[in-house]
Amino acid sequence: EAGVAQSPRYKIIEKRQSVAFWCNPISGHATLYWYQQILGQGPKLLIQFQNNGVVDDSQLPKDRFSAERLKGVDSTLKIQPAKLEDSAVYLCASSPGTSGGTELYEQYFGPGTRLTVT
Amino acid sequence: AQSVTQPDIHITVSEGASLELRCNYSYGATPYLFWYVQSPGQGLQLLLKYFSGDTLVQGIKGFEAEFKRSQSSFNLRKPSVHWSDAAEYFCAVASMNSGGYQKVTFGTGTKLQVIP
Repeated sequence: EAGVAQSPRYKIIEKRQSVAFWCNPISGHATLYWYQQILGQGPKLLIQFQNNGVVDDSQLPKDRFSAERLKGVDSTLKIQPAKLEDSAVYLCASSPGTSGGTELYEQYFGPGTRLTVT
Repeated sequence: AQSVTQPDIHITVSEGASLELRCNYSYGATPYLFWYVQSPGQGLQLLLKYFSGDTLVQGIKGFEAEFKRSQSSFNLRKPSVHWSDAAEYFCAVASMNSGGYQKVTFGTGTKLQVIP
């Protein structure tokens, strides 16, 4: 089966510019996650979708970050305006969903988008 | 709140030597525990997972991990390291939140260097 797709793989922007990242999860996966991974740190959850609804966005800086998952499939994460501290790798992951057994906890990650803000 | 601690930021081992990466978690109930590996420029790949049952779990690439409830640990091991194992390793704990959805917390990672 095809894995989680993300684009672009790399992006360089100046501070105060805007940027958008795209993610297409594994087909049939109901849950989609966006993580921010700053160099030298573990992934930090930004937002979690169940189908097209948000179930956790407690760590999303809502003054500048937004995300949507229209139709419960692919998703877009936007930053506007970007700050220097937003330089990081943005990882998208998906998992099967809330029903069933423990497989719902297994996340499948995309390759990530490396963002550099100058 | 759940948390994960990986006390070793960086570990260097010789090729062919054994490996143990440490992970300690904090969670009130029985946790679901994972180890992921991240090669440079790549996303995270699941190595193994523990949900219940046998406390020694086998994963891909010859890795295994042992869940020790008394020590709140889930250490990752490999008997003989290969140069291709050089990567960053993340321990994670998952639980169900009050809304019925899973919450996953990652450790800060351990970077493994393998020398010939």
